[in-house]
Amino acid sequence: DIQMTQSPSSLSASVGDRVTITCRTSQSINNYLNWYQQKPGKAPKLLIYAASSLQSGVPSRFSGSGSGTDFTLTISSLQPEDFATYYCQQSYSTPPYTFGQGTKLEIK
Amino acid sequence: EVQLLESGGGLVQPGGSLRLSCAASGFTFSSYAMSWVRQAPGKGLEWVSGISSVGGSTYYAGSVKGRFTISRDDSKNTLYLQMNSLRAEDTAVYYCAKDLEDIVVVPADWGRGTLVTVSS
Repeated sequence: DIQMTQSPSSLSASVGDRVTITCRTSQSINNYLNWYQQKPGKAPKLLIYAASSLQSGVPSRFSGSGSGTDFTLTISSLQPEDFATYYCQQSYSTPPYTFGQGTKLEIK
Repeated sequence: EVQLLESGGGLVQPGGSLRLSCAASGFTFSSYAMSWVRQAPGKGLEWVSGISSVGGSTYYAGSVKGRFTISRDDSKNTLYLQMNSLRAEDTAVYYCAKDLEDIVVVPADWGRGTLVTVSS
């Protein structure tokens, strides 16, 4: 299975900050990388698919980039509702599709 | 509006079985792939199983292969997960998810989840 490594595992930031989370895969996955946001007690929410495509209804302050083995999720200006845990997921070739271990974004 | 409602979770002894259901509405169920994703208490997400639309190809994580069976009934707009030989490490909230496409690629819309607890 493809291994996923997210960094950092946790992050403290302030409202208005620009934040970047990275995800590295154990082999090339082209652009088959998705990003999810999860708030406590809630289901995950798809933010970005195919590395850089913004899911419908997701604010434009969220963006994704990368290809091959290295990917980033960027939040251009943090809002109070963005404090959550973020997961990357690869969907390359056939399943199983593994998730990263998560990045917890906390208020500084 | 896409709605996914999981049911069937509960407390089961190790070695036991459970069948989870996911009732779907708000979209053409037969046209989309579906998946199950779980989350152990305080832990991250683990993709468990997926099923395509046309043809119904099925896929499993190594941790559940041979014990879990995913299926769908398009006439009832319902997804299932039959879980046998349950272990303590299967304890988790199980989410049903609708894919972006007819093949298993991107779980896009998620239900609220149902809790499965495996304990004696």
